[in-house]
Amino acid sequence: KAGVTQTPRYLIKTRGQQVTLSCSPISGHRSVSWYQQTPGQGLQFLFEYFSETQRNKGNFPGRFSGRQFSNSRSEMNVSTLELGDSALYLCASSLEGIGEAFFGQGTRLTVV
Amino acid sequence: TQLLEQSPQFLSIQEGENLTVYCNSSSVFSSLQWYRQEPGEGPVLLVTVVTGGEVKKLKRLTFQFGDARKDSSLHITAAQPGDTGLYLCAGSLSNYGQNFVFGPGTRLSVLP
Repeated sequence: KAGVTQTPRYLIKTRGQQVTLSCSPISGHRSVSWYQQTPGQGLQFLFEYFSETQRNKGNFPGRFSGRQFSNSRSEMNVSTLELGDSALYLCASSLEGIGEAFFGQGTRLTVV
Repeated sequence: TQLLEQSPQFLSIQEGENLTVYCNSSSVFSSLQWYRQEPGEGPVLLVTVVTGGEVKKLKRLTFQFGDARKDSSLHITAAQPGDTGLYLCAGSLSNYGQNFVFGPGTRLSVLP
């Protein structure tokens, strides 16, 4: 069974640009969550999608948005990038969104 | 203010030694998970504990969930260099949806 796949693995963007990250969950998993990991703040919850609907949301500005498609694949978008958005963005999938979550390898975003 | 605290923050030990890592909170969690993360990779799930007082053993790793479901510990027996990594605890505050709160992590280094 394939694990959680995130693309791309690495990205370099310029301040003010926007970026889209992709996550393919484990087959059969309907819940996809996104996290931001930085050395200073650790792992912080961005949002969760379940059956194409945002079910939970963390405390991030509106520049961070996401969506989920009918095949459970999810995308995360960050608009008007700031230097502080540089981080490892992690996606996690779970069967129904309760209990065990399995993470992808992450997308390392660098904003210059 | 961190909802989940972990101690110690850093730990460097010799191969063969035993160690315990702690995860504490003032909040009650419906479940708690332990992950290990290596540099540049996503966290890998080690265990999920759900019931207060629960003890789970995975080879040399023993996990305990506090009776009040507010704290947990991870004990490693006879540590090996392959145990090196960032150990993260994550608590689920809700039975509805995936919205994990992560601790800041314990960075373990096991020297040969």
